[in-house]
Amino acid sequence: DTGVSQDPRHKITKRGQNVTFRCDPISEHNRLYWYRQTLGQGPEFLTYFQNEAQLEKSRLLSDRFSAERPKGSFSTLEIQRTEQGDSAMYLCASSLGSRGPEAFFGQGTRLTVV
Amino acid sequence: GNSVTQMEGPVTLSEEAFLTINCTYTATGYPSLFWYVQYPGEGLQLLLKATKADDKGSNKGFEATYRKETTSFHLEKGSVQVSDSAVYFCALSDTGANSKLTFGKGITLSVRP
Repeated sequence: DTGVSQDPRHKITKRGQNVTFRCDPISEHNRLYWYRQTLGQGPEFLTYFQNEAQLEKSRLLSDRFSAERPKGSFSTLEIQRTEQGDSAMYLCASSLGSRGPEAFFGQGTRLTVV
Repeated sequence: GNSVTQMEGPVTLSEEAFLTINCTYTATGYPSLFWYVQYPGEGLQLLLKATKADDKGSNKGFEATYRKETTSFHLEKGSVQVSDSAVYFCALSDTGANSKLTFGKGITLSVRP
């Protein structure tokens, strides 16, 4: 059990550029979540996968955001045409549904849009 | 919808002081409740949890009891250490199939020697 890993840890991009983040969950975990955290706030839910199926998306997830989880393993979160308001920490979490609701988080990807 | 309210921070305590961090929630049904901790430079870690009313979660000297009648899940520790300095988040999980988490804003605890 190596934990949830996210890549990259930091990303600085110019406004209007596209960025993609990767999350590798704990290997046997079937549930994967993306959250966004801004300074001084708690994480906010963005989207949820069970295996490869994206089952829920928050209204926070605008059309510029897309997430995938091919083959039910790693996941990617892409932001197109980044805006300064997208600057935040993007957190990935995973859980094994049959073992209860607790989720395990990665260290996050900090995005700065300049 | 679901919501979690944490007391305003930051909190500064001397080592060995008693700690209480208040957390109340609003939810439909019977959510599970959690405290997560974020140490400086690290990711969110699960500190403790309670899955039904009157359950007490405990870990590393911290405790919290799921109080359905007051919709609260206050975090307590009898004697804090400098190493407890961190940001603490109260959270609840949705009772639907996805178990997504709703977090409070978090509170920064600083413990001075």
